[in-house]
Amino acid sequence: QQQVKQSPQSLIVQKGGISIINCAYENTAFDYFPWYQQFPGKGPALLIAIRPDVSEKKEGRFTISFNKSAKQFSLHIMDSQPGDSATYFCAASSTGTASKLTFGTGTRLQVTL
Amino acid sequence: GAVVSQHPSWVICKSGTSVKIECRSLDFQATTMFWYRQFPKQSLMLMATSNEGSKATYEQGVEKDKFLINHASLTLSTLTVTSAHPEDSSFYICSVLPPLALQETQYFGPGTRLLVL
Repeated sequence: QQQVKQSPQSLIVQKGGISIINCAYENTAFDYFPWYQQFPGKGPALLIAIRPDVSEKKEGRFTISFNKSAKQFSLHIMDSQPGDSATYFCAASSTGTASKLTFGTGTRLQVTL
Repeated sequence: GAVVSQHPSWVICKSGTSVKIECRSLDFQATTMFWYRQFPKQSLMLMATSNEGSKATYEQGVEKDKFLINHASLTLSTLTVTSAHPEDSSFYICSVLPPLALQETQYFGPGTRLLVL
């Protein structure tokens, strides 16, 4: 019940395209959903986060869509750039904060020219 | 933003030796830090929660006698891998939980790559 399932495992998108990564969860107590970006050899960094009281949050080219009834949330990267090539992790917490995170399995995104 | 440092960034050691990894919170005092382990192309797995001034809380399946955690100050937590073996080779990442008003994220360190020969 603590799992967060993430798909796809890897993704190749052309420059300028839209990258979409999906996550699903079972634990209805989860109430905070961040996305992290990780470059090789580095620690993850927060990209964007959402709470279940809203269905969408947008920050620049990054948008989270949240479907509470389906227990799913997704990350959309608009106008994908080669610099976006990284591994993306969704995560969830039941504390309303980032105090205890359960991570998804990760998606390796490659943006080609 | 908050900065978390880890030292060393990578270490190679012989099987049977112990290795200490430091995690420092440079921007704020942190009563709570986390230690994660990440195998190649895999997700982050929480190993333990490090609490300043008290014993660490280990996740199920993590040997507390093998992975010693000490959170001696509000800015420093250490992870010691005792009697390391090749299967302990991994990428170890610490994170810092900021004060309550800022808990929108954990701030992650750059990681320490451990290779046990």
